[in-house]
Amino acid sequence: QKEVEQDPGPLSVPEGAIVSLNCTYSNSAFQYFMWYRQYSRKGPELLMYTYSSGNKEDGRFTAQVDKSSKYISLFIRDSQPSDSATYLCAMKTSYDKVIFGPGTSLSVIP
Amino acid sequence: GAGVSQSPRYKVAKRGQDVALRCDPISGHVSLFWYQQALGQGPEFLTYFQNEAQLDKSGLPSDRFFAERPEGSVSTLKIQRTQKEDSAVYLCASSFRDRAHEQFFGPGTRLTVL
Repeated sequence: QKEVEQDPGPLSVPEGAIVSLNCTYSNSAFQYFMWYRQYSRKGPELLMYTYSSGNKEDGRFTAQVDKSSKYISLFIRDSQPSDSATYLCAMKTSYDKVIFGPGTSLSVIP
Repeated sequence: GAGVSQSPRYKVAKRGQDVALRCDPISGHVSLFWYQQALGQGPEFLTYFQNEAQLDKSGLPSDRFFAERPEGSVSTLKIQRTQKEDSAVYLCASSFRDRAHEQFFGPGTRLTVL
């Protein structure tokens, strides 16, 4: 079992839909939870991070962490074609080594 | 200022050749990370520097892989005697000290070994 699991998709939604992306993990020592967006042939770009449990909102993006279930989510409201990309969840303990999920490919259809 | 830069962007090597991949981190970023990303997968940790000190090299797949950051700025990832399975995108990222949760990535070097 990998430390971080993520449904690879592909996920296809119509423009304007609410998108839910999820990851599960096995290491209870993870403290920081990050979401990255990666366009084709580009490096990952940090969207947001959360420390410990709870929600965090940034514009159309909301990150949720449920440490009791070892489950994190990223919600995208009013999705746009420009949101079409691969979304990577990532996690770390107090140590600096970051573990990434395999990524979910998202297509937002106009 | 400029982001993380990597060179070359694309590299084709014949099996058995040595390659060197360069990373220029964001100015002031003490921490530097190397990752390997296979097609359709997330980045896999290779190694990590804080200034010139290599603090973790547990992800390097074999002793053919070697990384250095001699002056605490530019880093080079060297792969000796390349094999086909080394074909991947090699990503470099940097961050401020103790801010590994806020890493900034370069565009990557796509290595193809024939």
